[in-house]
Amino acid sequence: GAVVSQHPSWVICKSGTSVKIECRSLDFQATTMFWYRQFPKQSLMLMATSNEGSKATYEQGVEKDKFLINHASLTLSTLTVTSAHPEDSSFYICSARDLDRGRSPLHFGNGTRLTVT
Amino acid sequence: QKEVEQNSGPLSVPEGAIASLNCTYSDRGSQSFFWYRQYSGKSPELIMFIYSNGDKEDGRFTAQLNKASQYVSLLIRDSQPSDSATYLCAVEGSGSARQLTFGSGTQLTVLP
Repeated sequence: GAVVSQHPSWVICKSGTSVKIECRSLDFQATTMFWYRQFPKQSLMLMATSNEGSKATYEQGVEKDKFLINHASLTLSTLTVTSAHPEDSSFYICSARDLDRGRSPLHFGNGTRLTVT
Repeated sequence: QKEVEQNSGPLSVPEGAIASLNCTYSDRGSQSFFWYRQYSGKSPELIMFIYSNGDKEDGRFTAQLNKASQYVSLLIRDSQPSDSATYLCAVEGSGSARQLTFGSGTQLTVLP
């Protein structure tokens, strides 16, 4: 089945620094990837839709200048949290689906737990 | 606003019983529906997907869809303690990006 790899699985950074999270589709091409964020005991909230070769589409309330998304190839999307603050500490999860297979479910990476101190 | 509603629980069932998880959605144009299981601190994993009205069975899991009522459910037969997790209902939007909107999840505890 489709596999999505996400790296790193966890990261601790100091306030004001930037963190990059990578998401790769391992056995299929993903023209579209999705980035979610999940705070403790809450559901997944879609942050943005990453489109290969074009700008990402951000959900309402998500700062595009703070959460930079780059989808430079059909198998890689990156999310950079710029000037991170403690309130950005969360579980970030990327996902992708093999749209060439028609109706296919969304597959998730293992997530990145970000802690900003 | 497109919404997906789930009873947050917690839902407790004894081992061996049937666990019933429910979900309603507001977007009548939705065509694809998914159930994910999420263990604490982990990423969601797909359990089942269903596209057509009626029942779909896979092992101990049965998904039920009623598009007229905008309702989708998941039944877990012979529940095991290892089934204890949060179950997320996800509905694919009718837009071109086919984004998934998730419910808030139902926390299930299977008591040994």
